[in-house]
Amino acid sequence: GAVVSQHPSWVICKSGTSVKIECRSLDFQATTMFWYRQFPKQSLMLMATSNEGSKATYEQGVEKDKFLINHASLTLSTLTVTSAHPEDSSFYICSVVGHGEPYGYTFGSGTRLTVV
Amino acid sequence: SQQGEEDPQALSIQEGENATMNCSYKTSINNLQWYRQNSGRGLVHLILIRSNEREKHSGRLRVTLDTSKKSSSLLITASRAADTASYFCVLYNNNDMRFGAGTRLTVKP
Repeated sequence: GAVVSQHPSWVICKSGTSVKIECRSLDFQATTMFWYRQFPKQSLMLMATSNEGSKATYEQGVEKDKFLINHASLTLSTLTVTSAHPEDSSFYICSVVGHGEPYGYTFGSGTRLTVV
Repeated sequence: SQQGEEDPQALSIQEGENATMNCSYKTSINNLQWYRQNSGRGLVHLILIRSNEREKHSGRLRVTLDTSKKSSSLLITASRAADTASYFCVLYNNNDMRFGAGTRLTVKP
């Protein structure tokens, strides 16, 4: 099956700084990646769909200028939380979709962001 | 955009008992998947059932899908304390994936 690497696994940053989270597809070409956010004791909520070579599609209520997504290659998508605030503290998870169903449903291990 | 609705929200059982979780949805799907998550950590894919399938088994897991009722169930038989986790159904339709609210399962030793 597909292998997805997400880094960092956890990060603590100061309020006002920016944090970049990477999602890498290690063994296949991911044309589409999804970014999710999960608050404590809640389900995962889709933030945006990242498409290689084009602009990401953001879900309603997600600020595209705050959560910058770049999917410049078939193996890497990045999520940058800009000017982070404590309310952005959350668990962020990526998933990748490749060609064909066996590669369609692979998740990264997640990044726990704490903004202090 | 649709999202699955799961019930119960929380389930507490004794080790050895069976656990059943349900997921309902509103629109069409290509497939439905179940995932497990331990304490806000990464997700583990458990099982996938396609829209033309009615039942699948994997070890102690049994998943059913009723497309006419737009519902699915996950049964864990002979539960163990290690099964304690949150379980999510995920609806997949044309490259769109949506999570249900999840069921928090606690298995007491």
